[in-house]
Order: sequence, then structure tokens, then C-alpha cells
Amino acid sequence: AQSVAQPEDQVNVAEGNPLTVKCTYSVSGNPYLFWYVQYPNRGLQFLLKYITGDNLVKGSYGFEAEFNKSQTSFHLKKPSALVSDSALYFCAVRVNRDDKIIFGKGTRLHILP
Amino acid sequence: EAQVTQNPRYLITVTGKKLTVTCSQNMNHEYMSWYRQDPGLGLRQIYYSMNVEVTDKGDVPEGYKVSRKEKRNFPLILESPSPNQTSLYFCASMSEAFFGQGTRLTVV
Repeated sequence: AQSVAQPEDQVNVAEGNPLTVKCTYSVSGNPYLFWYVQYPNRGLQFLLKYITGDNLVKGSYGFEAEFNKSQTSFHLKKPSALVSDSALYFCAVRVNRDDKIIFGKGTRLHILP
Repeated sequence: EAQVTQNPRYLITVTGKKLTVTCSQNMNHEYMSWYRQDPGLGLRQIYYSMNVEVTDKGDVPEGYKVSRKEKRNFPLILESPSPNQTSLYFCASMSEAFFGQGTRLTVV
């Protein structure tokens, strides 16, 4: 069965430092991988996705994610964190276009001024 | 502007009183889906629809119904709401790239 894990409930990073939000997945085929961000009292916003091709995917707001097939990971990264990046982040996976998307439980990112 | 619109944004209702949460998209997407978000559980899929008149159960379909009579609309129906359906609900379209603003439902 498909699954996705976000091992950290919360990540704290000082402003200006690089940030990483971790995601690992388990699927039986080739994964489609997604990252979303949720700001307080808002819906989810799409950040980036990996389907095929270059393992490093660039997305909105300066975020990027690296697909690592051997480690079944898709960690979200940003070189220099902003206080405005503080939000709830969700990783998600699907196996093919017609499959449902499975979400992780979310990681709350706190950027400390 | 491309968007997914949910209504209402907030709803408080009583146990057993039927309600409908509407979802509409203006992008002519085939795929639409409903999720509920609960603390510590992330987002769980309730139902999804690949196209008009095609709907399928997600992970937590019990207590919910949906319909897809036209491409733009995908309403979520709670025939007899119960307190355990108190949650934050999101509609999404097109491979989940676009989400609605959410509906916070409280069933008392």
C-alpha cells in the first residue's frame, strides 16, 4: 500500500539558515511526489511536484525538493529561510495519474527571527 | 482567475441535519476530490471523481456522499452528520494542484 511519512512534527530554523523538511514514501511503482504549504486559516497551496526527469525540482517561493529513489525520499529544502516561511507543510504521493493522492501528516515549520 | 470555490467557509450544525458543501472549479478540470483535515492525521481523501458521473471512494468515505453531474461542480453531502465529522474540509481539482479555501464544519 502507498504511504508517505513526515518524521518530524515540527522543525525550528533560524531566519537566514537553510531549512529541510523531510519526507519519505513507500509505493509499489514509480511515484508522483508533491509538496504543499498551508498558512494559518488558508487552504493548501501547491509548491512543487516530481513526476520524472531531473531529481532536483524547483518550486514556488524559492523552495526546491530532491527526489532520491534509493532512499525513497523527497525532502523539501530552501537555502535561506524567511520568517514568512513559517507554516504547515505537507508531502504527498501517488503512483499514477488515476490513483488517489496520499498525504503525510504534515510538518509545522517555525522560522525564528 | 483559476480557482476552486467552496461554500460555506464556516458551518455549525446539529447532529442528523442534512447538509451540503458545494465545490466549484472554473478550469474545466476532469479530476476533483474531497479531503478532510484533522490534527495529527493530515489530509485524508473522502471521495474523488475522474470525470462527470464517475466517482470513487477515498480512504474515509463513510458518512459522506458526492455527485458529479457536471464537470465544474462536486458537492459533498452529509446525509446525517455526526460529531465525528467535525473537521476542516477541502475540495481540490486537477491532480490536487488547486485547493479550495476550506470549509470548517462543526457538528454539535
